[in-house]
Parts: sequence; C-alpha cells; structure tokens
Amino acid sequence: GESVGLHLPTLSVQEGDNSIINCAYSNSASDYFIWYKQESGKGPQFIIDIRSNMDKRQGQRVTVLLNKTVKHLSLQIAATQPGDSAVYFCAEGGVRNFNKFYFGSGTKLNVKP
Amino acid sequence: SAVISQKPSRDICQRGTSLTIQCQVDSQVTMMFWYRQQPGQSLTLIATANQGSEATYESGFVIDKFPISRPNLTFSTLTVSNMSPEDSSIYLCSVYASGGEDEQFFGPGTRLTVL
Repeated sequence: GESVGLHLPTLSVQEGDNSIINCAYSNSASDYFIWYKQESGKGPQFIIDIRSNMDKRQGQRVTVLLNKTVKHLSLQIAATQPGDSAVYFCAEGGVRNFNKFYFGSGTKLNVKP
Repeated sequence: SAVISQKPSRDICQRGTSLTIQCQVDSQVTMMFWYRQQPGQSLTLIATANQGSEATYESGFVIDKFPISRPNLTFSTLTVSNMSPEDSSIYLCSVYASGGEDEQFFGPGTRLTVL
C-alpha cells in the first residue's frame, strides 16, 4: 500500500491554543482524504474529509488544508480543548484507489489544561 | 452513517490456534475492509472483503493466514490462523458508505493477545 506520513510525533499544546497537525501522502492518484481521531481503546472516528478538487474545507473548529503540489495535508484545530487529546491519523484513498484507504502513522495530540 | 459491531471485543489466545472475528453492520454496504493496528502504530489495510467473491489482499497479507468471509452485505468475518505472538494486535472492521456524504466508518476493534 501507499506510504503516508511515516512518523509518529507528539504535539503538546496548551488548552485554548490552536493546533496544527501535518501529514504527507505518497500517491498522487489519491483523490479523497480523511482525518480521523482515535481515542484510547476505540476505533478511529471520522473528523473531516476533503476531495482533491478542493484545497480547504472547514468544519466545526476544524479546518483541513490540502496541497496537492507537495502532497501534504494539515488539520487545524481551533481553541484546542482537553477532549481533543487523542491520536490523529490522515488517510488517503478515493475512487482511483477503489475506495481503499491507507493511513499515515499518526500524531499524538496532548492538550495541557 | 453506519454502526458497526465486532465480536469478540478482546481475546487472549494460545500460539498455534485460530480466532475468527465477526463484523456486523446495521445497514447494507458495498465495501467492507479489515485493518490491523499493532500496538502504538497506525492502521494497516489487510484486505477488502468482497461479497460473493474472494477477498482482495494487500501486499504482505495472504488468504491462508487471514481467511475472510463475506456472505452478505452486512456481515463479514476475519480469521487469524495459526497465531503467533506477532499477531497480537487490534483488528478493525471498516465500511465505506457512499451517499450524501461519503464516509468510512470503523468498528470498535478486536484486541487480540497471543501468548
């Protein structure tokens, strides 16, 4: 499968600050990208997605940016809260991948109160 | 949206035995997938469970080790065969649901420990 973000960094932020989590993907044919949040002992939870015909998409407190030129995704979380503490994964996939999704190595977000 | 349940939620097994994990979805879905998540790591796609035909395996995974069944559009099983401690992992079922909002949903996972 594709290689997506082969690092597992930890990001520590203060409650109320903004967080930015980055991800590099490898397959230029991927046309759909998803950010997931995974809390301990649970399956990944969908946060936000973006298709390759967009470069930015906003949700509630979250924004995803897509830079296809450098094959890079970022997830921005505004006013980070203790409940945001989790591991965050990006996944690449889409129709051209037969709707299979390949995951990055993840970033652990630690929100300090 | 789709609600996915898995059985068992966890198990401890002896080396050389096999375990079958069940995945049940509350709605009919075209695409079901099985992932593995080793401790502290990301998710790795094992295979696509195809209804009515053999599963499609990713590089590094074979049918003899991970046989998969998909008898209908709401159910699939993954068997981890002839287990070794290296198979200790969380196994997750996933579905891709296309509709007004395409989304990929995950089950809660099955935590397997092989002694």
